[in-house]
Amino acid sequence: LAKTTQPISMDSYEGQEVNITCSHNNIATNDYITWYQQFPSQGPRFIIQGYKTKVTNEVASLFIPADRKSSTLSLPRVSLSDTAVYYCLVGRNYQLIWGAGTKLIIKP
Amino acid sequence: SQTIHQWPATLVQPVGSPLSLECTVEGTSNPNLYWYRQAAGRGLQLLFYSVGIGQISSEVPQNLSASRPQDRQFILSSKKLLLSDSGFYLCAWTGSNTGELFFGEGSRLTVL
Repeated sequence: LAKTTQPISMDSYEGQEVNITCSHNNIATNDYITWYQQFPSQGPRFIIQGYKTKVTNEVASLFIPADRKSSTLSLPRVSLSDTAVYYCLVGRNYQLIWGAGTKLIIKP
Repeated sequence: SQTIHQWPATLVQPVGSPLSLECTVEGTSNPNLYWYRQAAGRGLQLLFYSVGIGQISSEVPQNLSASRPQDRQFILSSKKLLLSDSGFYLCAWTGSNTGELFFGEGSRLTVL
């Protein structure tokens, strides 16, 4: 089972681009990389998923290098409402290992 | 579109009392269903998952049990709650096996 490592916390300011990097050295060939966002007292919300290279949707981009041993979630022009915990996960559904995530605090 | 609901949202129960948390999914068929528990400031711990009616896999030995009496219904139960059962319980579903999970609103259980 692939375990991930990501910073415990990060601070940024409104309007900035925020990049959160996650390492997953023992990712398996068939594993996808998935990022979730969680607000207090709510369930996690799916943000983005990728397998390799770059994936972009309406809220974020996910950059995955060729060796797939890390990934970077990029949030463009963050706002105060992006203050949340962000989880990086690798693997398939029942095999997912949830760490403590990265607590992102956006300041005015 | 697919939706997931779980209830109750908040529950305060005495030690030794029973528990029943219910989760239902709408707008899809034959989903994979999951129960997670989250301690304060921690990540999610998988408790049970189900790939079909009556099929339950337990990930962590504990005081809890799960059942799936219908395709889109998942129930988490306990006969006698312990203090250590307190936490935030989350139900989730997926239609794929790639890690894209969709979560309910959560149920906060406090055992006193």
